[in-house]
Amino acid sequence: GDSVTQMEGPVTLSEEAFLTINCTYTATGYPSLFWYVQYPGEGLQLLLKATKADDKGSNKGFEATYRKETTSFHLEKGSVQVSDSAVYFCALRGTGGGNKLTFGTGTQLKVEL
Amino acid sequence: GAVVSQHPSWVICKSGTSVKIECRSLDFQATTMFWYRQFPKQSLMLMATSNEGSKATYEQGVEKDKFLINHASLTLSTLTVTSAHPEDSSFYICSARPPIGGRVEKLFFGSGTQLSVL
Repeated sequence: GDSVTQMEGPVTLSEEAFLTINCTYTATGYPSLFWYVQYPGEGLQLLLKATKADDKGSNKGFEATYRKETTSFHLEKGSVQVSDSAVYFCALRGTGGGNKLTFGTGTQLKVEL
Repeated sequence: GAVVSQHPSWVICKSGTSVKIECRSLDFQATTMFWYRQFPKQSLMLMATSNEGSKATYEQGVEKDKFLINHASLTLSTLTVTSAHPEDSSFYICSARPPIGGRVEKLFFGSGTQLSVL
């Protein structure tokens, strides 16, 4: 079945550092890929998405590129801020139809001054 | 944006008791709500899909008699963990899908409930 693997956290960075959170997936066909963010005390929110190979999703300075050849969708940001501290979830929607999202474990990011 | 309220945010209970978790869509009517569970260091896993006015659809391996889901109105779904045991200790998250333009990724999530069963 479909699965998503993302790097374990917590990831601790200094403000203005470069961020990469790795995400790889296993799925048949061409799934749609997503990153969600959960800020403390809030629900998950869709951060960005990509629906086909080589697409780049971007939002709030975050980017992720759908790499079919490496089955990856790594999240990057050039300069993180303290306000980016949150838990980030990688997810996919398979091509099998239905409304099912498959999530990774989530990666906690802590950004310090 | 749309808000989903989940209550309680954390609960501790004794083994053998039942616990009810509520999920409310505050500013839209949700015909479909989803319940997820996350064990430590594991993925967020879909447990069941709850449709207003009908029986929930459970994922494989989820006991429907243990995890009772009620979606009696368009703004409220409840998950009751019956006769809870320590292995049920987990983080439970609900989500709701707006009825119009409701692609699965456009879900609104609750902030989650941490259940600890002693």
